[in-house]
Amino acid sequence: EVQLVESGGGLVKPGGSLRLSCAASDFTFSHYSMNWVRQAPGKGLEWVSSITSSSRYIYYADSLKGRFTISRDDAKNSLYLQMNSLRAEDTAVYYCARSGGSFYDFWGQGTLVTVSS
Amino acid sequence: QSVLTQPPSVSAAPGQKVTISCSGSSSNIGNNYVSWYQQLPGAAPKVLIYDNNKRPSGIPDRFSGSKSGTSATLGITGLQTGDEADYYCGTWDSSLSAGVFGGGTKLTVL
Repeated sequence: EVQLVESGGGLVKPGGSLRLSCAASDFTFSHYSMNWVRQAPGKGLEWVSSITSSSRYIYYADSLKGRFTISRDDAKNSLYLQMNSLRAEDTAVYYCARSGGSFYDFWGQGTLVTVSS
Repeated sequence: QSVLTQPPSVSAAPGQKVTISCSGSSSNIGNNYVSWYQQLPGAAPKVLIYDNNKRPSGIPDRFSGSKSGTSATLGITGLQTGDEADYYCGTWDSSLSAGVFGGGTKLTVL
């Protein structure tokens, strides 16, 4: 069964950096586009970024303004999100999700990022 | 402010039917497939409907989806208490080159 396991979340001070990872298993990772979606406490889902197979196309939410970088390592079946200049409003659960075409067909359990002094 | 507009909440009695609307524009719903997600309390989202009206294997036919113009609708029949959750619509916005979600709708089964 498809598994996506996020890691790397935690408490970070404003202005700090964090790198999230998503370990994928039980599917051919290199064939799929992958995504990050976040959810602030008590709020709705917010799309963050997408990366296509072979990293050919990369997309980001405008609100991130160049602070986040998505990447993938197909040899390690892993997806990453480098987050810099973190702000309090970046506090959220970050989900890794696989693209099943036009939708997100599998989701990880999420990793919590808390930005606070 | 979400790009897609959903009602904040809906409610109905067990066994009844409910619909949840999702309104967008020509750059998103009007020209792209819509998907719907169910998020149970404390859990990750799960896809219920994709490509406007298709159900993944394992999703009961009590759940249905439709799209007309720049709006989409999720229907749930035979409501059960276990259906209490937050529901989100999602699609791609071709003008923004970004994924977009509705603000979410909380379903209460009275």
